[in-house]
Amino acid sequence: GEDVEQSLFLSVREGDSSVINCTYTDSSSTYLYWYKQEPGAGLQLLTYIFSNMDMKQDQRLTVLLNKKDKHLSLRIADTQTGDSAIYFCAESIADSSYKLIFGSGTRLLVRP
Amino acid sequence: EPEVTQTPSHQVTQMGQEVILRCVPISNHLYFYWYRQILGQKVEFLVSFYNNEISEKSEIFDDQFSVERPDGSNFTLKIRSTKLEDSAMYFCASSERGGVGTQPQHFGDGTRLSIL
Repeated sequence: GEDVEQSLFLSVREGDSSVINCTYTDSSSTYLYWYKQEPGAGLQLLTYIFSNMDMKQDQRLTVLLNKKDKHLSLRIADTQTGDSAIYFCAESIADSSYKLIFGSGTRLLVRP
Repeated sequence: EPEVTQTPSHQVTQMGQEVILRCVPISNHLYFYWYRQILGQKVEFLVSFYNNEISEKSEIFDDQFSVERPDGSNFTLKIRSTKLEDSAMYFCASSERGGVGTQPQHFGDGTRLSIL
């Protein structure tokens, strides 16, 4: 079945890089997404990658996709305290509606 | 930048009452979705909507739920006879297109529904 797994918590020091990992099960995924959720707020689209790509870079964000292992990662360079939030990995399933299947979210805490 | 807007931000309702959650998707988007997030749990897909009809619904989306696009801008989720377990954050999302070449879904800030 469709499932997306993430580690629950990551703590880094300000200025370091953060790497958030995600694994998924559905090989028919078309796009894989990273969303950010700050306390009390909605889901902010950070970046996404098409399943035939293996890397995408967007300013401080780098997404790596290993399709063979069904592993996705999000690297945040020079992590800032404002990056503290919950990060959700999601896959878009190539079925009738391209619904998103979300992971449980990784809470990133950036220590000053 | 265009965004998805949801109202109200917080809705408190007595068990058994009906609620309508409202969403205004991004104006040129054609695909609309509702998701929910029970406190401490994953974001779950409820329903997708395209061309004025439901294209897919999850097991959660039973006869208690309905969606409607009453005009060219609003997209609503109605929950009849609410239950305690309907308490959750409800997110609306929209995308420009689906299928091959699908565009990412953009989410609203959510409506927190509290059933008493």
